[in-house]
Amino acid sequence: SAVISQKPSRDICQRGTSLTIQCQVDSQVTMMFWYRQQPGQSLTLIATANQGSEATYESGFVIDKFPISRPNLTFSTLTVSNLSPEDSSIYLCSGGQGVGAPLHFGNGTRLTVT
Amino acid sequence: TQLLEQSPQFLSIQEGENLTVYCNSSSVFSSLQWYRQEPGEGPVLLVTVVTGGEVKKLKRLTFQFGDARKDSSLHITAAQPGDTGLYLCAGEGTTDSWGKLQFGAGTQVVVTP
Repeated sequence: SAVISQKPSRDICQRGTSLTIQCQVDSQVTMMFWYRQQPGQSLTLIATANQGSEATYESGFVIDKFPISRPNLTFSTLTVSNLSPEDSSIYLCSGGQGVGAPLHFGNGTRLTVT
Repeated sequence: TQLLEQSPQFLSIQEGENLTVYCNSSSVFSSLQWYRQEPGEGPVLLVTVVTGGEVKKLKRLTFQFGDARKDSSLHITAAQPGDTGLYLCAGEGTTDSWGKLQFGAGTQVVVTP
């Protein structure tokens, strides 16, 4: 099974700045996704990270706010731009091989915006 | 959006007791998954159910998928403190949407010795 590592594990950022989160998988995976888990709420899918092309965003999420890169089958980054306190959340990277395979999650990045 | 409602939101029981968590929707899912999440960690997949009426057992955990594939339940027999965690159900709308999961709000389970 794939092991997913995220960096940083937590950060405190000032309003108006940006944070880039790195996601590294220990093996090649077909699919990678980014989720958000807001305080006291469940997980919401932000986007599918597509290798070598633009990410596919879910309703309510836009590329200007959440630019995503995926240069290869083991690595992806999520940037949360122009931070506001409402962006305080846990951001989770996930990945796997597709239908019939399990979806693995990283341990998340806890972002606090002051 | 296919909404998944979990109940109860919070469950506190003594070691050795049984518990059941429910996950309900008005929508049909191609599959439904159960995860457990502990503080500071990501969700860990427990089971995937794909066939209406399917029952899967994982040691003391029993998972059931409703006949109409709209609801599911998780039953834990003789709960242990190690079962403490946030239990999440997540539905997949179609087989084309692998990994694009709709999560329920979760059930926080606390098992005290």
